[in-house]
Amino acid sequence: EPEVTQTPSHQVTQMGQEVILRCVPISNHLYFYWYRQILGQKVEFLVSFYNNEISEKSEIFDDQFSVERPDGSNFTLKIRSTKLEDSAMYFCASSLMGTDNTGELFFGEGSRLTVL
Amino acid sequence: GQQLNQSPQSMFIQEGEDVSMNCTSSSIFNTWLWYKQDPGEGPVLLIALYKAGELTSNGRLTAQFGITRKDSFLNISASIPSDVGIYFCAGHLQGAQKLVFGQGTRLTINP
Repeated sequence: EPEVTQTPSHQVTQMGQEVILRCVPISNHLYFYWYRQILGQKVEFLVSFYNNEISEKSEIFDDQFSVERPDGSNFTLKIRSTKLEDSAMYFCASSLMGTDNTGELFFGEGSRLTVL
Repeated sequence: GQQLNQSPQSMFIQEGEDVSMNCTSSSIFNTWLWYKQDPGEGPVLLIALYKAGELTSNGRLTAQFGITRKDSFLNISASIPSDVGIYFCAGHLQGAQKLVFGQGTRLTINP
């Protein structure tokens, strides 16, 4: 069964460092997303991406964050200068159709980011 | 922003018991979804609901989309040990790309 894959599974970094989290969405999907989950809390939307541009972003997704689809398969989330409060599990998701067209999201297993 | 209030926050039950959890919102959603999250993994979709009043089953799971479009419930019948995990409701607003998640219900089952 096709799945969303994420790397790394866990990254530890120093405050102020740049981090890139990588995702390989399901191959025929067109919509891509990043969500995050602070330990013990709910899953929060960060950004959606379609047709090589951001289609929606939350207030969490400030200038420190960026997303890119550098080739036909990868989808990355970059945090330029990490803060302690960026420590969380980051989930990539993809869907064939957009959620505004009842597209179902498939989530990866997540990348745990720990900022020291 | 939009909020989903999910309850209960946690449940401790005996194997074989039925389980019920629900989500409410002050906003109208056009889609309700229920996800399960196992430790260290991403959410996995259990049931998706697209119409107000819709009642949908998936094996031992049954979910309903409230008539007012502001609530949904999930029932699990005859619970088994592999049902342990965190269950999240999620709602989708018309015209938006994002899903709004509830706070989760942590289910623990005593054998």
